[in-house]
Amino acid sequence: NAGVTQTPKFQVLKTGQSMTLQCAQDMNHEYMSWYRQDPGMGLRLIHYSVGAGITDQGEVPNGYNVSRSTTEDFPLRLLSAAPSQTSVYFCASSSLGSYSNQPQHFGDGTRLSIL
Amino acid sequence: KNEVEQSPQNLTAQEGEFITINCSYSVGISALHWLQQHPGGGIVSLFMLSSGKKKHGRLIATINIQEKHSSLHITASHPRDSAVYICAVRSEGTYKYIFGTGTRLKVLA
Repeated sequence: NAGVTQTPKFQVLKTGQSMTLQCAQDMNHEYMSWYRQDPGMGLRLIHYSVGAGITDQGEVPNGYNVSRSTTEDFPLRLLSAAPSQTSVYFCASSSLGSYSNQPQHFGDGTRLSIL
Repeated sequence: KNEVEQSPQNLTAQEGEFITINCSYSVGISALHWLQQHPGGGIVSLFMLSSGKKKHGRLIATINIQEKHSSLHITASHPRDSAVYICAVRSEGTYKYIFGTGTRLKVLA
């Protein structure tokens, strides 16, 4: 089992460029989410999905798009990169079986720098 | 004021010491999670709690729903326990998680 796989691990972009962070899980989890982690702050939810075709905004969605065409994949798109989006991004997934009893499985993170 | 507050922010202990990390929250929750983030950055889930107490090896997590407070205890701490410990709550009635800023623990040999 690979768990949650994020690619790339590192990326440097120029302001205004677009890119997609990939996230895939092989555990048939319904719930997938994207977070950003900035120094001195807790992880903050960007977008989440509770199943294929269903997505919703989190705490900090501006500048990011997501889609969920399959259960396995949940890509995060930066439309026009800005220096404020420099961060470490984590993807996570969990089962929704028992509402409060499922652990989140995290990917290894993507360190993104916007110049 | 953050909706999830952790204390202390930083903690240095000697090997073998009993460690307590606290988490207080101000929102209604359906569950509380304790996570561990290693120096390399990877995050693993340690516990999920909606009531009472859970134990796994040298780790114990408790939650008091009425007081909106949870504690993570590490007994007989070891240098390999050095990591950032993160408290996260699942906001009641939603699929949204709110995270504390973490407690950085360093255990000295």
